[in-house]
Amino acid sequence: DVKVTQSSRYLVKRTGEKVFLECVQDMDHENMFWYRQDPGLGLRLIYFSYDVKMKEKGDIPEGYSVSREKKERFSLILESASTNQTSMYLCASRKIWGNYGYTFGSGTRLTVV
Amino acid sequence: SQELEQSPQSLIVQEGKNLTINCTSSKTLYGLYWYKQKYGEGLIFLMMLQKGGEEKSHEKITAKLDEKKQQSSLHITASQPSHAGIYLCGADPLNYGGSQGNLIFGKGTKLSVKP
Repeated sequence: DVKVTQSSRYLVKRTGEKVFLECVQDMDHENMFWYRQDPGLGLRLIYFSYDVKMKEKGDIPEGYSVSREKKERFSLILESASTNQTSMYLCASRKIWGNYGYTFGSGTRLTVV
Repeated sequence: SQELEQSPQSLIVQEGKNLTINCTSSKTLYGLYWYKQKYGEGLIFLMMLQKGGEEKSHEKITAKLDEKKQQSSLHITASQPSHAGIYLCGADPLNYGGSQGNLIFGKGTKLSVKP
């Protein structure tokens, strides 16, 4: 069964910590995405990548960075976690050609205290 | 920029009742995707519509895309508690060949089904 795997379902981190959220897909998809989801705001795109070592800013990249060293892995990094980064983080991947939608991971609920 | 408006924002229905969720775009839709999300989990793909007038069904859920390709509806027949969750529509912001692959999403419709 093809899937996108996020390393943690729940995380609690302290303000100022560096946080790594990992996402791995086994579908050989070119495109990978990181979103955060907040009540009333919906899904907001943080960063995406359409190839290894390539990255593009989404709508809300401030306070985040990403890394894509291998095609199957896309990491989201919170350089210095803050309480306003408490959120649900969703990783997704997509085939670059053809009209295919996203495959999502199960999400990581991050709480910054 | 293109936006997707979903209505209603939330919906409470009695088990067994039918319901409809709408997704309206400010621009022509080149690919419309419906997803379902259970609380605290990721999004599960339901259906994808591409052609004007297209209609697809899976079990008790039917999705339609209007002829002008600016509005889609998701209809659930004889709702069950298992249908509860958040339904989101997503769309390719441009003709797919011209996009970088990111979808835009509506804010979601929260569905509760009372037994």
